[in-house]
Amino acid sequence: DAGVIQSPRHEVTEMGQEVTLRCKPISGHDYLFWYRQTMMRGLELLIYFNNNVPIDDSGMPEDRFSAKMPNASFSTLKIQPSEPRDSAVYFCASRGDSRGNQPQHFGDGTRLSIL
Amino acid sequence: GNSVTQMEGPVTLSEEAFLTINCTYTATGYPSLFWYVQYPGEGLQLLLKATKADDKGSNKGFEATYRKETTSFHLEKGSVQVSDSAVYFCALTGGTSYGKLTFGQGTILTVHP
Repeated sequence: DAGVIQSPRHEVTEMGQEVTLRCKPISGHDYLFWYRQTMMRGLELLIYFNNNVPIDDSGMPEDRFSAKMPNASFSTLKIQPSEPRDSAVYFCASRGDSRGNQPQHFGDGTRLSIL
Repeated sequence: GNSVTQMEGPVTLSEEAFLTINCTYTATGYPSLFWYVQYPGEGLQLLLKATKADDKGSNKGFEATYRKETTSFHLEKGSVQVSDSAVYFCALTGGTSYGKLTFGQGTILTVHP
């Protein structure tokens, strides 16, 4: 079975540019999560969706960040404009169980560097 | 709200040593508990889980028992290998929120030959 697929794996761009990260969840999973991981702050939940609807976006750091899930098989996380402090590894995860007993499945992440 | 506290790291061991990584949690009700592992350059993978009190999760020689009376879910392995070097995260779901995982801060494990 294909796991969670993220693209790109690496992104290097200059500050001020728009960055779009992409995620394809596991087919049939109706929960999708976006995380950010840094040495300083560890693993942070940014936002999660259920059935394509954003449920909790309290972790989104500021208005420069936005996330969409136009359909059950695709989600994007966009940063505009990007800043050096946005440099991190961004993970997408999906889960199919509404009660939370089943684990989240993570992608391999996008390593983002903002110069 | 929910919270997870892991022992401070990093942890450095010699091959074949015994491993314990402590994890305690705060949550209302009956959360499900998980250990995830992250190898260098990869995403998190589920290592084991337990969904009710006194359950023991196990995988790849690792074990953890859901102790409701002490609100703990300590990870153990009797004999670690160099290939176990990774970051280990304790996590829970349930309590005040079934939708999302609450993670501990992670513990870096390094195993030397």
